[in-house]
Amino acid sequence: QKEVEQDPGPLSVPEGAIVSLNCTYSNSAFQYFMWYRQYSRKGPELLMYTYSSGNKEDGRFTAQVDKSSKYISLFIRDSQPSDSATYLCAKCMEYGNKLVFGAGTILRVKS
Amino acid sequence: DTEVTQTPKHLVMGMTNKKSLKCEQHMGHRAMYWYKQKAKKPPELMFVYSYEKLSINESVPSRFSPECPNSSLLNLHLHALQPEDSALYLCASSHLGRGRDTGELFFGEGSRLTVL
Repeated sequence: QKEVEQDPGPLSVPEGAIVSLNCTYSNSAFQYFMWYRQYSRKGPELLMYTYSSGNKEDGRFTAQVDKSSKYISLFIRDSQPSDSATYLCAKCMEYGNKLVFGAGTILRVKS
Repeated sequence: DTEVTQTPKHLVMGMTNKKSLKCEQHMGHRAMYWYKQKAKKPPELMFVYSYEKLSINESVPSRFSPECPNSSLLNLHLHALQPEDSALYLCASSHLGRGRDTGELFFGEGSRLTVL
């Protein structure tokens, strides 16, 4: 079993839709989770960072962690064509910032 | 724009060449990383430098040789590479220590390497 599982998609939605991106994880140690956005041929960009259970909101983006089910989610409200990218979830595995990434979900927002 | 700068953006090299990838950050981060990313795959960790010392080597072949001359610079020296080493090489940096090991990495744009 992979440390972090993520459906690669692609996920295609119309402009203005609410997008839900999800990952599951197996190791309960070091409960720091990140969402990165990566445009084609660019480096990943840190979108959201969360620790512990609950929600964290930043503009149109909400990150959610459910420790009981080992499930992390990213919601995008009022999705825009510019949101079209690959979204990578990641979990910090240990001291020294060792990250494990999910496979990445390709999101396409159609105008 | 990213505050982690990588050069060159593109590199084409033969299997007998020696080349280097360079990375620079001025955010005061004391951890720096090299990741390798193949097309449609997530980044894979290669090396981690903590306080300018190599702290993690993910069993990377010796044809990749990292170097951290100071807290702002990170190099990746390449020699005798294989075509399967063609990929996007990403540099990243982060804070380190005292509760700051949270995984918040800041990535550069990457160096796209093609080995012929």
